[in-house]
Amino acid sequence: NAGVTQTPKFQVLKTGQSMTLQCAQDMNHEYMSWYRQDPGMGLRLIHYSVGAGITDQGEVPNGYNVSRSTTEDFPLRLLSAAPSQTSVYFCASSLGVGLRAFFGQGTRLTVV
Amino acid sequence: KNEVEQSPQNLTAQEGEFITINCSYSVGISALHWLQQHPGGGIVSLFMLSSGKKKHGRLIATINIQEKHSSLHITASHPRDSAVYICAVTYYGGSQGNLIFGKGTKLSVKP
Repeated sequence: NAGVTQTPKFQVLKTGQSMTLQCAQDMNHEYMSWYRQDPGMGLRLIHYSVGAGITDQGEVPNGYNVSRSTTEDFPLRLLSAAPSQTSVYFCASSLGVGLRAFFGQGTRLTVV
Repeated sequence: KNEVEQSPQNLTAQEGEFITINCSYSVGISALHWLQQHPGGGIVSLFMLSSGKKKHGRLIATINIQEKHSSLHITASHPRDSAVYICAVTYYGGSQGNLIFGKGTKLSVKP
């Protein structure tokens, strides 16, 4: 039982490049979410999903896309990376909204 | 705006000390979470509570619904407790019940 697996752990991108952050969970959780963590701020919600085929925007969705084709996977796509997207990204899952969350290890992304 | 405030922002303690971290929030909640983020970056859920008190080892979490306040206590602190402790809440009527996070309290326990 691996929990929430998030890859990569580190990534450097050039401005304008695109990439996908992968997130997979093996706990059969319906609810999955992506957050970004910036210095001096609490984690902020980017996008979330309450089940396969259903996604919605969070607090800071601009510049990011998500899809949920299976219960297990919830990838986050950066369409055209900008320096403002330099951050640490966390994927999380839970049985339901507001319930105990399980987090991935985080991805430290630098956009130059 | 629904906010979660934590205090203190930074806390340094000597090994063995009793530690308290506070969290206050502004409107009714369905649940409050305490999370721990180690220097390596990973985040672990410590407690989820909606009333009363929970205990796990040397960690105790309490919540006072009327005062909209929660505390996380660490008894007999140890250097391995050094981490950032994060409070998060789920508000009634919040967007799909998503978590709202405090900015965290950075704890450093000196041997």
